[in-house]
Amino acid sequence: ILNVEQSPQSLHVQEGDSTNFTCSFPSSNFYALHWYRWETAKSPEALFVMTLNGDEKKKGRISATLNTKEGYSYLYIKGSQPEDSATYLCAFNTGNQFYFGTGTSLTVIP
Amino acid sequence: KAGVTQTPRYLIKTRGQQVTLSCSPISGHRSVSWYQQTPGQGLQFLFEYFSETQRNKGNFPGRFSGRQFSNSRSEMNVSTLELGDSALYLCASSSRGPSSYEQYFGPGTRLTVT
Repeated sequence: ILNVEQSPQSLHVQEGDSTNFTCSFPSSNFYALHWYRWETAKSPEALFVMTLNGDEKKKGRISATLNTKEGYSYLYIKGSQPEDSATYLCAFNTGNQFYFGTGTSLTVIP
Repeated sequence: KAGVTQTPRYLIKTRGQQVTLSCSPISGHRSVSWYQQTPGQGLQFLFEYFSETQRNKGNFPGRFSGRQFSNSRSEMNVSTLELGDSALYLCASSSRGPSSYEQYFGPGTRLTVT
């Protein structure tokens, strides 16, 4: 069983703060690393797919980096807004199966 | 394009009963995966079906089974329900499975076993 770890488990930040989360995954059998955003009572929504070591992706105020050699990815949110409040999941994709972390729950306080 | 749909959205069953959950993928998608989420756990992979064949299976007991129909709709069945089966069950569809880098999730079925 592959182990994907996310930290921190939860985070409370003030509106306007910047924040980042970590996803750690095995350095072997790598195919892709996915980030999802999951709001309460909704479906998980894909944010980024990263496939190459050194990949950096950006969507608005959210960006992500990937280091496949050491097995980690960072998700950054710049200038957090209340609408950013959600659980952020990372998933390690071997090409055959997705392995999910337990997520980081972000609460942005207005 | 319609998204992934799951029915029912909520379900209450008694220990020992069986349950069937349904998932309709996005039109044109041939891969359907099922996941279980319990408090404090990440999404745990149950199985993946592609073109009516189970292609991959997670580490769950045989009480958990599934199937896929020719229209790619999938059902998941849990027999002899246990209290620990109470969870959110999500399905996800994609065109080719994990190798296609994509996965679109449904809203989930919340199962409560009493």
